[in-house]
Amino acid sequence: RKEVEQDPGPFNVPEGATVAFNCTYSNSASQSFFWYRQDCRKEPKLLMSVYSSGNEDGRFTAQLNRASQYISLLIRDSKLSDSATYLCVVRGNNNDMRFGAGTRLTVKP
Amino acid sequence: SAVISQKPSRDICQRGTSLTIQCQVDSQVTMMFWYRQQPGQSLTLIATANQGSEATYESGFVIDKFPISRPNLTFSTLTVSNMSPEDSSIYLCSGLQDLNTEAFFGQGTRLTVV
Repeated sequence: RKEVEQDPGPFNVPEGATVAFNCTYSNSASQSFFWYRQDCRKEPKLLMSVYSSGNEDGRFTAQLNRASQYISLLIRDSKLSDSATYLCVVRGNNNDMRFGAGTRLTVKP
Repeated sequence: SAVISQKPSRDICQRGTSLTIQCQVDSQVTMMFWYRQQPGQSLTLIATANQGSEATYESGFVIDKFPISRPNLTFSTLTVSNMSPEDSSIYLCSGLQDLNTEAFFGQGTRLTVV
């Protein structure tokens, strides 16, 4: 079983749509969780950290369910500029970051 | 957050040769890591670069193939040795300023082995 699993997509949605990405992780001792965004031919960049209580940053909402070892990202009112690959990331036992395979999102006009 | 300058940004190399990739951080970081990202895939951890000691390698990666140095808290190198076309990939270094923060990345090195 992979340490971090994501639906690879691709997700093709119209502008203004709401889209949700899901992720599961295998290490129940994991303490820190993140969503990164990676544009084509660019390095990953932090989108948001994921907290136990859930957190929101503008159009983006991240949630964590420790019991189910499940992380989600919700994007509301999608913009063309949201087109990218979204990476679910879990901090490993040695503080390294373990990446999911990424979910590709394309927002179309 | 801190900024990592990674170089070269890209290279085309002959099989059997070696390439050293450098990452310089503009401030001290607690930890540094090296990743590989093959076309269309996500990031795979190669190793943790330990300051002043041997790197810690993940399963499937060995020091002879990917020697790593980290002489201080702001600099690290990864060498891809005796390259073959299968080593063609993007290599990324990453830093962690402290254990409660997120990781940030260099711009990546796009390596093509011919």
